Amino acid sequence: GAVVSQHPSWVICKSGTSVKIECRSLDFQATTMFWYRQFPKQSLMLMATSNEGSKATYEQGVEKDKFLINHASLTLSTLTVTSAHPEDSSFYICSGHTSGGVRYEQYFGPGTRLTVT
Amino acid sequence: AQSVTQPDIHITVSEGASLELRCNYSYGATPYLFWYVQSPGQGLQLLLKYFSGDTLVQGIKGFEAEFKRSQSSFNLRKPSVHWSDAAEYFCAVGAGGNKLVFGAGTILRVKS
Repeated sequence: GAVVSQHPSWVICKSGTSVKIECRSLDFQATTMFWYRQFPKQSLMLMATSNEGSKATYEQGVEKDKFLINHASLTLSTLTVTSAHPEDSSFYICSGHTSGGVRYEQYFGPGTRLTVT
Repeated sequence: AQSVTQPDIHITVSEGASLELRCNYSYGATPYLFWYVQSPGQGLQLLLKYFSGDTLVQGIKGFEAEFKRSQSSFNLRKPSVHWSDAAEYFCAVGAGGNKLVFGAGTILRVKS
């Protein structure tokens, strides 16, 4: 199956700093990438959808100035958490979808654990 | 809006026993339904999906699921559980624009 990687897998940062998470599709072209947030023992909540070369579309309640998403190529999307605070600590997961592929089929990365101290 | 309910937060089964994980969805038209499994340190892996046709779908690792429109359900089953099946399982429904809406997940524990 299609493979998606995320880097880093785990990051600790201090409150007020920014952190960037990379999501790469290794063997397919991800025309659309999705970013999710998962709190402990809870479901995946969609944060935003990004199409390659376009601005991301954010879900209601997600601060677009805080969670900057870039999808500059068909194999790379980045999520930057700006001015991070402890409440931003969470597990962030990305997924990729390829146009022309099976509808709704997404390939998920392994996730990035962010801890803000 | 589309929604998914997984009523069981935790389920414990003995190794070799059968398993059924429940999933109910809310969607107006014919839904696109998915089951994923999440193991620690790994991304969500697709077990199976239903779009149309035969309401009993077979997936990987010996899993199957049955779509029941009258009950708005898409329950996941496995006849004999292995210790390696211990993980968290998510049901999801397509929500337009290739987006997925996930249920809260069910944590499966397998006791030997």
